[in-house]
Amino acid sequence: DSGVTQTPKHLITATGQRVTLRCSPRSGDLSVYWYQQSLDQGLQFLIQYYNGEERAKGNILERFSAQQFPDLHSELNLSSLELGDSALYFCASSVAVAGVYEQYFGPGTRLTVT
Amino acid sequence: AQSVAQPEDQVNVAEGNPLTVKCTYSVSGNPYLFWYVQYPNRGLQFLLKYITGDNLVKGSYGFEAEFNKSQTSFHLKKPSALVSDSALYFCAVNPGAGSYQLTFGKGTKLSVIP
Repeated sequence: DSGVTQTPKHLITATGQRVTLRCSPRSGDLSVYWYQQSLDQGLQFLIQYYNGEERAKGNILERFSAQQFPDLHSELNLSSLELGDSALYFCASSVAVAGVYEQYFGPGTRLTVT
Repeated sequence: AQSVAQPEDQVNVAEGNPLTVKCTYSVSGNPYLFWYVQYPNRGLQFLLKYITGDNLVKGSYGFEAEFNKSQTSFHLKKPSALVSDSALYFCAVNPGAGSYQLTFGKGTKLSVIP
């Protein structure tokens, strides 16, 4: 158990809908990362927050957005869902060990868009 | 921009035999390199990392990795494979210099045959 929690575990929804995925980082970790894992694209970095502020953006679609709250939990919002958005969405949090940021991953949310 | 290549989608090895999972990277400067493992329906678990120093890095579950700067490689190895090592393995690179981000390879599926 990495200490990173994600809810829900599974989500099934229809095209055009909007969903929110939630992540709680490990205690004390200030950074949260979101990744999308699909069969054809592999593991893609979406976005990173550090202590409530956006730090880095990766291959995140405009239909997707995220935020990190004062208690450091984060939410990833996916809207106007398409079939191709079906994937595993991972959250990770990081801690600096000897100046190197190690990322610890949550169990993921499996999103199925029908 | 940094990139990671895992040239083999799948590696099959007999139980008890040594295993190697290959990884090459492209990044300027002195990178930090990581291996993660993903078991079915689970998040990624940290295995080991290379920051500096000894080119042979030891990690969890008996795995080790060899950093080769001239060949820009960071191959994962284990002297004697177990059936329980069967999983998806990801190599990742952090460009160093205080960067938070990881760039992942596409992953290699390791199957250890009894």
